Amino acid sequence: EDQVTQSPEALRLQEGESSSLNCSYTVSGLRGLFWYRQDPGKGPEFLFTLYSAGEEKEKERLKATLTKKESFLHITAPKPEDSATYLCAVQQGASNDYKLSFGAGTTVTVRA
Amino acid sequence: GAVVSQHPSWVICKSGTSVKIECRSLDFQATTMFWYRQFPKQSLMLMATSNEGSKATYEQGVEKDKFLINHASLTLSTLTVTSAHPEDSSFYICSASRRAVQSYEQYFGPGTRLTVT
Repeated sequence: EDQVTQSPEALRLQEGESSSLNCSYTVSGLRGLFWYRQDPGKGPEFLFTLYSAGEEKEKERLKATLTKKESFLHITAPKPEDSATYLCAVQQGASNDYKLSFGAGTTVTVRA
Repeated sequence: GAVVSQHPSWVICKSGTSVKIECRSLDFQATTMFWYRQFPKQSLMLMATSNEGSKATYEQGVEKDKFLINHASLTLSTLTVTSAHPEDSSFYICSASRRAVQSYEQYFGPGTRLTVT
């Protein structure tokens, strides 16, 4: 069974204080690892897809990296508008239904 | 691109009535859509996978007679909560699947807040 564990559960940062979120996964053949951002009362917003170890993707202050067992989401010089819950999800390569298994999320709060 | 809408964004209904939620992919066609439920401060729980033109596949523990899913076209899936009860109150979110480089990426709607009184 696919397992996705995110840490920490919550992260409080000062504006400009860079940090990283972790997503550890156990899956039988990774097809893709996905990062989403979710604001309160809204649906998740797609950020990145990573496919293979060593891959990196960037978007503004966010950078996602992938190894064979985990992914990191780095937030560089965060601003208050980066406050949100960040969700990690994996898609198993062996299945034909393309379902996602989600982690519990990391809630990031950035103080001005 | 990859915009998904949901309607309504919130709904209040009385116990015993049925409620229909629509999910539309606005700028792409989606052969597969997914329905999730989310409780406060929890992650998304997959309820069912909806494939265009065929019956939905429900996750274990989800009552298919209570949560009716129809995927009649490549841009529209509907979830009907039948004979709703207060315990069905929740945040329901749909996603539409779009082909990517090596996988299918899911793009989510804004969610529907259902309150059953």
